[in-house]
Parts: sequence; structure tokens; C-alpha cells
Amino acid sequence: DVKVTQSSRYLVKRTGEKVFLECVQDMDHENMFWYRQDPGLGLRLIYFSYDVKMKEKGDIPEGYSVSREKKERFSLILESASTNQTSMYLCASSLLVRGETQYFGPGTRLLVL
Amino acid sequence: GDSVTQMEGPVTLSEEAFLTINCTYTATGYPSLFWYVQYPGEGLQLLLKATKADDKGSNKGFEATYRKETTSFHLEKGSVQVSDSAVYFCALKEAGGSEKLVFGKGMKLTVNP
Repeated sequence: DVKVTQSSRYLVKRTGEKVFLECVQDMDHENMFWYRQDPGLGLRLIYFSYDVKMKEKGDIPEGYSVSREKKERFSLILESASTNQTSMYLCASSLLVRGETQYFGPGTRLLVL
Repeated sequence: GDSVTQMEGPVTLSEEAFLTINCTYTATGYPSLFWYVQYPGEGLQLLLKATKADDKGSNKGFEATYRKETTSFHLEKGSVQVSDSAVYFCALKEAGGSEKLVFGKGMKLTVNP
């Protein structure tokens, strides 16, 4: 079974803090993704990566950056957390194959005070 | 750009009721189509998928048929159970090689005994 793990299930941070969210997958997938999920808005893509050190902006990249130094690990960074970044963050990974599904981690619920 | 429109709910049903969740899409070419389910407190799981027109995806009693003529991928189940209570997301993967998923806003289903 594919396993996607996220470093924390719940996180509380203060405004202005630098926040790191880590995601690890164990199936040698090329693609990795970061989404945020908000009520009434569904899932929105923040960034994705299709290879080590490669990244592409998604629909809402402002206020975020990412790092992919190893194939299995994809980090989301909030350089200076703000209250409007309070959300559920979901990581996903997939093979580089047409029609292949994405596998999701359990999510990190981030509260920024 | 590509988009997915689905029933947003919330919807409450009694056990053994029939379920239909409508999903229509706008896309160029022939996207792959997915239904994901999110149980309380968890990440998203693939429920079923279809990669070409007239394909039927099925899993756990749920079915959906890829209808190109109506650009639809409606989810159905003949008899829901309490354990089907979850949020359901329709999604498409663009046909042109992009690895991005485009999600609908999700529909929360509650099934009462």
C-alpha cells in the first residue's frame, strides 16, 4: 500500500512564525503536491513538484514556498505565518502516468493565532 | 480553464436510501475523472475513477460512468450505510499531460440509522 505521511496532525503557531510542514511518501512517486482545504472552497493547489528540486506554482502560491531535496520528501514552508493561513493542509503524491490517481496523506490542521 | 461542478450539500439520508451526487465538468480533450472520499478526520481516498468515455468506475457499491456527451460523472449508490457518511469530491485530471487535479468543492453526506 502507498503511504503518504505528514509530520503533524495538528499544529498551532503564532503570526509571523516560520512554519514547516513535511510530507514523505514511500512509493518512489515522481509527483508530489500540496493543497489547502477550506470549507466551501474545496481543495486548492498551492505547489507541486514533478522531480527533485523541481517545483511549479499551483493556484494559490502566495505566502508559501516549497522544497524538494529528495524524491520522497516535499516540504511546505510558510515564511511568515498569517491568520488567513489557518487551514487544513493536504499532501499528495502520484506516479507520472496518465490517469494515475493521487494518494493523499492524513492532513495537517494548522491554526495560526 | 478546466473546472468541476458538483452538488455541494450537505445532504442527509436514511440508511438504505439511494444516493446520487451530480458532477459535471468543463475540459478540453479527454480528461480522466475521479471520485474521492474523505472520512471524518482523514485525508482523501480514491473511491473510483474512469479514464475514457463510457468507462464505468465502481468500488464499495458506488458507481459512476464517464459520459462525454453530457460531460458528467455522477456518483450513485443503491443503498447507503451509516459508514458512508463522509465528504465526496469529484475531480478531473487534465488530458494534456498536466499532473494537476481539479476538484469540485465537495459534498458532505450524513447517513442516519
